[in-house]
Amino acid sequence: DTAVSQTPKYLVTQMGNDKSIKCEQNLGHDTMYWYKQDSKKFLKIMFSYNNKELIINETVPNRFSPKSPDKAHLNLHINSLELGDSAVYFCASSQGSGGPYNSPLHFGNGTRLTVT
Amino acid sequence: SQQGEEDPQALSIQEGENATMNCSYKTSINNLQWYRQNSGRGLVHLILIRSNEREKHSGRLRVTLDTSKKSSSLLITASRAADTASYFCATDARSGYSTLTFGKGTMLLVSP
Repeated sequence: DTAVSQTPKYLVTQMGNDKSIKCEQNLGHDTMYWYKQDSKKFLKIMFSYNNKELIINETVPNRFSPKSPDKAHLNLHINSLELGDSAVYFCASSQGSGGPYNSPLHFGNGTRLTVT
Repeated sequence: SQQGEEDPQALSIQEGENATMNCSYKTSINNLQWYRQNSGRGLVHLILIRSNEREKHSGRLRVTLDTSKKSSSLLITASRAADTASYFCATDARSGYSTLTFGKGTMLLVSP
């Protein structure tokens, strides 16, 4: 009954490969996000989707392509992986369509991506 | 640019002591939120304080907000070993479609 679940938990791959991370939320939230946490624990927003529509794209390289088949799912596909993509990627969701105003984020447990 | 900055970066205390973490931010906000992250896990929401509120309590947590100084503090009273985690403040900026911007966090170690 995990609220926000993402798979896989660990992903080890070589440079140049293409990989996907899946995220699902069963909270009935309207908005979903992808965040990237670097080795210094700095969390940076990548994308925000509201009801399957892209709302925010924070200067993320085109190699990253989010896809939202329905409002409960937001997957992240990464093409031509680079060493610098190594990080922990977090999916999150929040209630309402106006972003996290008065509405906290619910996070998944992260996907640790290691590019070798 | 990064909105929130936590201080200190790391804090080590004994069980039973109080822990205070501070957060400073740069622009006007709608609200400020505090999150906890245990090692290897996602962030968990602790408390949300609106820009028109000055203090909020939740169990052993006390959060203050000073919008004139653009700062907030999180106080954990009577700390326990289970409080060991990283703590992040996050702000929701007033302008445009809002999204949470996180600081780099304070790593709290509570020793038994």
